[in-house]
Amino acid sequence: NAGVTQTPKFQVLKTGQSMTLQCAQDMNHNSMYWYRQDPGMGLRLIYYSASEGTTDKGEVPNGYNVSRLNKREFSLRLESAAPSQTSVYFCASSDTGLSSGNTIYFGEGSWLTVV
Amino acid sequence: QKEVEQNSGPLSVPEGAIASLNCTYSDRGSQSFFWYRQYSGKSPELIMFIYSNGDKEDGRFTAQLNKASQYVSLLIRDSQPSDSATYLCAVAQAAGNKLTFGGGTRVLVKP
Repeated sequence: NAGVTQTPKFQVLKTGQSMTLQCAQDMNHNSMYWYRQDPGMGLRLIYYSASEGTTDKGEVPNGYNVSRLNKREFSLRLESAAPSQTSVYFCASSDTGLSSGNTIYFGEGSWLTVV
Repeated sequence: QKEVEQNSGPLSVPEGAIASLNCTYSDRGSQSFFWYRQYSGKSPELIMFIYSNGDKEDGRFTAQLNKASQYVSLLIRDSQPSDSATYLCAVAQAAGNKLTFGGGTRVLVKP
């Protein structure tokens, strides 16, 4: 029962390098999300995908791109990494209907350091 | 002003006492409210959700919602050292299937 799986768990990048964080869920959820978490800032939404084929910007989308590859997979790409993107990244998924009590399930997180 | 506000803490409580956490939100259209617990180095896990005014109890946890005053609170009764964690408040708006999180309150339960 994997739930939400994201890779890699740890990554160190040099400024200007690119990389893709991969995420897959096996709960047949329609919606998927990428959040970043910085000390004292809580979780901030980068991008989300309400359903397969759609993506929307969240609070902090600059410097990131996403791809909803299919219903299971939602990737996050850093095209030119910057030190300000050093953070913990969480992928998450949910069924439609958060306003009626469905909840978000999180992956284990990816620790990214940009030097 | 952030959309969801929490006191960052730390909130220090003795073992066996009640821990009281508060969260305020700015969007009056918010529909559902969630409390997540996050241990250091781990991902958030859901504790409670509430969408009706009043209290909702689940074991040692009670969530309280007051939509008119735009706040939601979490009470942890008989606090245990294992309750030491950061508690995140999250709000679901009516439009869009997404959650907005507060900055979290760190709770320390001392034996």
